[in-house]
Amino acid sequence: GAGVSQSPSNKVTEKGKDVELRCDPISGHTALYWYRQRLGQGLEFLIYFQGNSAPDKSGLPSDRFSAERTGESVSTLTIQRTQQEDSAVYLCASGTPNYGYTFGSGTRLTVV
Amino acid sequence: QKEVEQNSGPLSVPEGAIASLNCTYSDRGSQSFFWYRQYSGKSPELIMFIYSNGDKEDGRFTAQLNKASQYVSLLIRDSQPSDSATYLCAVRTNAGKSTFGDGTTLTVKP
Repeated sequence: GAGVSQSPSNKVTEKGKDVELRCDPISGHTALYWYRQRLGQGLEFLIYFQGNSAPDKSGLPSDRFSAERTGESVSTLTIQRTQQEDSAVYLCASGTPNYGYTFGSGTRLTVV
Repeated sequence: QKEVEQNSGPLSVPEGAIASLNCTYSDRGSQSFFWYRQYSGKSPELIMFIYSNGDKEDGRFTAQLNKASQYVSLLIRDSQPSDSATYLCAVRTNAGKSTFGDGTTLTVKP
């Protein structure tokens, strides 16, 4: 497809379980971001991948959060031992730094 | 001080008026500036970018950049109710990473 694809679109999980969120960026986009957005709040930066450079992990809120990206393709965000405060929409965006970013539709995570 | 600051609003304008959205940034070495629009319940979408001082026009939208004042704005002419959304300013620094402001919520009243 032509856009950024995120899966699943919705995820309900029990507190304490691990979850894995997937992002398929637009082909050729060297940069990829993960953001978290709680209801009614702004975008919270989590992690930034740019080409083969070391990722900027400065936004990850705890060591329960990790992310990987294979080259310039798919990325996965993993949350271990989920907590209720992890409930949010997780957004992935890909692009090239000079021309802005295209966002996926997000994964709505609910921890019960 | 936040890296990118926006008035949270809400900003309310009547239909047909000019809406003015403002953004300031702290990194004087910032290179590229972007405006995104986010409708309620949707993902942000890029509407404009600007690199050079001055104005850049695209239809009813005009982005204005003043690097000396570290200020970027978005003007929406002939505002329509469909323009009601949250507008996010994003700034790309020399390090390459883009940082988003918290957004300004705009309501255009018919």
